[in-house]
Amino acid sequence: DGGITQSPKYLFRKEGQNVTLSCEQNLNHDAMYWYRQDPGQGLRLIYYSQIVNDFQKGDIAEGYSVSREKKESFPLTVTSAQKNPTAFYLCASSVGGVGMNTEAFFGQGTRLTVV
Amino acid sequence: DAKTTQPNSMESNEEEPVHLPCNHSTISGTDYIHWYRQLPSQGPEYVIHGLTSNVNNRMASLAIAEDRKSSTLILHRATLRDAAVYYCILRDPLSNTGNQFYFGTGTSLTVIP
Repeated sequence: DGGITQSPKYLFRKEGQNVTLSCEQNLNHDAMYWYRQDPGQGLRLIYYSQIVNDFQKGDIAEGYSVSREKKESFPLTVTSAQKNPTAFYLCASSVGGVGMNTEAFFGQGTRLTVV
Repeated sequence: DAKTTQPNSMESNEEEPVHLPCNHSTISGTDYIHWYRQLPSQGPEYVIHGLTSNVNNRMASLAIAEDRKSSTLILHRATLRDAAVYYCILRDPLSNTGNQFYFGTGTSLTVIP
């Protein structure tokens, strides 16, 4: 089955530690995205990548880092510099490219809790 | 990026039609109107999109005003499984940054049995 997989579903982290959230897709999509969602709020864009080895900051990139070494993978690292990391993190992918009006496919999310 | 405005919440009785409104008065000529929905504790899923003409698919219908400054997502017969947050977003595929999907706070739909 084609899709986008996030792991783990729940993640606990001690304050001051870095943690990496996994996102893998087998849809052959060029574009991938990371969003953060806080309770009762909409999605806010953290980082996006339109192609391998390239990525751009979104609206709330501070305290986060990403890499895009493979088309299928777009891991997100939440660093200790992120002051309020507890949130629901969502990864998405789409066909991408200028002129491509296609929908985004989302993973099931990772709920990160800092303890 | 052009913004959208949606009511925070709506209610509907089960098996009745639901009309979810979205205002986008600053829409540009190349912006497509997309709708997604998010079930509790899940990622959003695509519902429908359109440019100028009304659109239908197995999930819903999208009615777009003639001036394109507003649109309405129509669920023909609401079920309990349709209870979700519905997001209306604009996306310009011709923009270098058009690949971004900007989500607002959406409309939380409650379906009453």
